[in-house]
Amino acid sequence: EVQLLESGGGLVQPGGSLRLSCAASGFTFSSYAMTWVRQAPGKGLEWVSLISGSGGSTYYADSVKGRFTTSRDNSKNTVYLQMNSLRAEDTAVYYCAKARVVGAVADHHDYWGQGSLVTVSS
Amino acid sequence: DIQMTQSPSSLSASVGDRVTITCRASQGISNYLAWYQQKPGKVPKLLIYAASTLQSGVPSRFSGSGSGTDFTLTISSLQPEDVATYYCQKYIGAPLTFGGGTKVEIK
Repeated sequence: EVQLLESGGGLVQPGGSLRLSCAASGFTFSSYAMTWVRQAPGKGLEWVSLISGSGGSTYYADSVKGRFTTSRDNSKNTVYLQMNSLRAEDTAVYYCAKARVVGAVADHHDYWGQGSLVTVSS
Repeated sequence: DIQMTQSPSSLSASVGDRVTITCRASQGISNYLAWYQQKPGKVPKLLIYAASTLQSGVPSRFSGSGSGTDFTLTISSLQPEDVATYYCQKYIGAPLTFGGGTKVEIK
């Protein structure tokens, strides 16, 4: 059974940093790209970042480029989202999601984690 | 970047009605289009990919069509459990942009 479990969310002051983790199980982790998607309170889904299965390719939304970094440790079946210079508008539930197609980089997502709430406030 | 525009932003229909949601891409995306359902307080769920392929386990009353720039999600007979917000997403390349969502309610 595929499982994705996010952790690391919480309350952080503007300008601060936070690192989210997403631990995966139930599939060959290194064969699948992983994505971070966020949802601000009462708002729609916003794609944040994408990392290929090998970790060699990463892509970011313009809204987070230069501030957020996604990485993965395939030996630990975990993908990370390092968030720096956080702003109030980064407040959201952050989901990690798995690509459906093995080897694909840009792909839709067949499994999602439960989400981790990040609140940026003083 | 390619923009994804959904319409309507919300709709109210009766049980048994046929419901159609539209998603328009600002440039052609072939059939690299997925639809997701998000019920209140829940995680998004993949319904359809490649514009018209039903994800395993999704009821057959859901269908998708379109190619290029114009796509539709159709619920052939709306059920109470279909109350949710529906999102389209393009995945021809990054950014993997979502549409703004369509909230479906029961009249």
